[in-house]
Amino acid sequence: DGGITQSPKYLFRKEGQNVTLSCEQNLNHDAMYWYRQDPGQGLRLIYYSQIVNDFQKGDIAEGYSVSREKKESFPLTVTSAQKNPTAFYLCASSSRAPNSNQPQHFGDGTRLSIL
Amino acid sequence: GQQVMQIPQYQHVQEGEDFTTYCNSSTTLSNIQWYKQRPGGHPVFLIQLVKSGEVKKQKRLTFQFGEAKKNSSLHITATQTTDVGTYFCAAMIYNQGGKLIFGQGTELSVKP
Repeated sequence: DGGITQSPKYLFRKEGQNVTLSCEQNLNHDAMYWYRQDPGQGLRLIYYSQIVNDFQKGDIAEGYSVSREKKESFPLTVTSAQKNPTAFYLCASSSRAPNSNQPQHFGDGTRLSIL
Repeated sequence: GQQVMQIPQYQHVQEGEDFTTYCNSSTTLSNIQWYKQRPGGHPVFLIQLVKSGEVKKQKRLTFQFGEAKKNSSLHITATQTTDVGTYFCAAMIYNQGGKLIFGQGTELSVKP
């Protein structure tokens, strides 16, 4: 089955530690996205990528970094600079660049907590 | 930044009652998408509206896009317990790089 795989499902971070969240898709989608979801709020865009080796900051990029070395993969690193990282992180992909009107397909998410 | 306001934040209904959630923007929208997120799950795409005044139906769900393309609504007729979840609108705004901006979501609970 085609889809988006996020791992791990649960992740714990110590103070001052960087952690990387994995996102892999086999849908042959060009565009990929990272969102953060907090209770009672909608999804906020962290970073997005339209093509390999290119990505743009979203609305809340501070304290995060990404890479897009392969079409299938868009890992997100939560750095120690992100002071409030506890949240539910969702990765998504769509079949074309964001300027088109394609729906986004989401992974199951990674729940990150601070130890 | 650009915002898409969605109301209400919560809605509790008795099974069989109707439910409506509204999405509003001060800016003209290129298109609007609707997603459903079940408790503990991830958002799942429901539908996309593109044209001014567009109305689309999916069984008991009716989606509308305003004439001015600044608002949208999702109406569920005769809710069932399977409708439980959070419904999000997500709007694409002209000249904003094609990013989707999500509303805060409406959490629907249905009492049997």
